[in-house]
Amino acid sequence: KNEVEQSPQNLTAQEGEFITINCSYSVGISALHWLQQHPGGGIVSLFMLSSGKKKHGRLIATINIQEKHSSLHITASHPRDSAVYICAVRSYSGGGADGLTFGKGTHLIIQP
Amino acid sequence: DTGVSQDPRHKITKRGQNVTFRCDPISEHNRLYWYRQTLGQGPEFLTYFQNEAQLEKSRLLSDRFSAERPKGSFSTLEIQRTEQGDSAMYLCASSFDGNSPLHFGNGTRLTVT
Repeated sequence: KNEVEQSPQNLTAQEGEFITINCSYSVGISALHWLQQHPGGGIVSLFMLSSGKKKHGRLIATINIQEKHSSLHITASHPRDSAVYICAVRSYSGGGADGLTFGKGTHLIIQP
Repeated sequence: DTGVSQDPRHKITKRGQNVTFRCDPISEHNRLYWYRQTLGQGPEFLTYFQNEAQLEKSRLLSDRFSAERPKGSFSTLEIQRTEQGDSAMYLCASSFDGNSPLHFGNGTRLTVT
């Protein structure tokens, strides 16, 4: 079992829909990252959080430390949101002493 | 702040050849990370530096791989005697410290024929 599990693996939605991507992890963590990767490989860090909730524009990230679960929400989705969204955790074991363990990503397509 | 830059963007090489990639982190960032990503998978940690010191190496990093950050600024990742299984995207990221967000480069896509 991977330390970081994301769901769904693929998601296609219509423009304007509310999107939720989930991330569950099995290890103790000091921080969780949500990343966005566009075709061509470039990765952008969206959020880094260790508790509660963060909001940036139409993006919202939440984390529940007790349940070892985080969600990324996109409100009023737009075709330019189409990308792979990756959850990564900085854990106290695995992934290297100070590296990250990544989920496989959720491939999101927003259709106009 | 020009972000993290990686060079080259693409590299095609024949099996058995050596290749070297370069990463220039954001100038004030002390930490530099190398990751490898294959198609359909998330990035996998390879190694990281705190300034010029290489503090951690993944078991994924075989003896054919070596990374340096000689002056605590740019870093190089060398793969010797490349194999087809080395074909992947090699990503570099930097951060100010261990509690700061990561900034990624656009990666170097390696194809070994």
